[in-house]
Amino acid sequence: DVKVTQSSRYLVKRTGEKVFLECVQDMDHENMFWYRQDPGLGLRLIYFSYDVKMKEKGDIPEGYSVSREKKERFSLILESASTNQTSMYLCASRRQEGLRNTEAFFGQGTRLTVV
Amino acid sequence: KQEVTQIPAALSVPEGENLVLNCSFTDSAIYNLQWFRQDPGKGLTSLLLIQSSQREQTSGRLNASLDKSSGRSTLYIAASQPGDSATYLCAVGDYGGSQGNLIFGKGTKLSVKP
Repeated sequence: DVKVTQSSRYLVKRTGEKVFLECVQDMDHENMFWYRQDPGLGLRLIYFSYDVKMKEKGDIPEGYSVSREKKERFSLILESASTNQTSMYLCASRRQEGLRNTEAFFGQGTRLTVV
Repeated sequence: KQEVTQIPAALSVPEGENLVLNCSFTDSAIYNLQWFRQDPGKGLTSLLLIQSSQREQTSGRLNASLDKSSGRSTLYIAASQPGDSATYLCAVGDYGGSQGNLIFGKGTKLSVKP
């Protein structure tokens, strides 16, 4: 079974802190994604990566950065946490087969609260 | 820009009923469409993936269909059970997005009453 593991289920951080959310997948997938999910807004893409050290901005990258130093690990960084970044964060991965996109698998989510 | 809509936003049915969840999308140029289930406070669980060249996929009591030309997909759940209660999300992988990003609907919250 594909496994996507996020490092924390719940996090509480203070405004201004630098926050790291970690995601690891065990299926050698090329593509990895970070989404946030908010009531009424659904899932929105923050960043994605299609290879080691490669990244592209999604729809809402402001206030976030990412790091992918190893294929299995994709980190989301909140440079200076703010209360409007309180949200559920979801990591996903999928294999890329040429132009064909395969099934996406999600982690269990990290509920981040910024106080 | 691709938009994905799921109607209704919430649905309540008695146990044992067959039901259909709807998903529509505005741009038919898609790679695939995927249905997910989400339990409260949890991540997403993949249910079915339909490639753009396929018309339907089945897994157990679930059947998903895809009509690209009309921009619609349905998820059919047979003989519903209380354990099926969850939010169901459809997501489209489209050509316009970056590297096949998934674009999500806002979900249908299903409640199956015993």
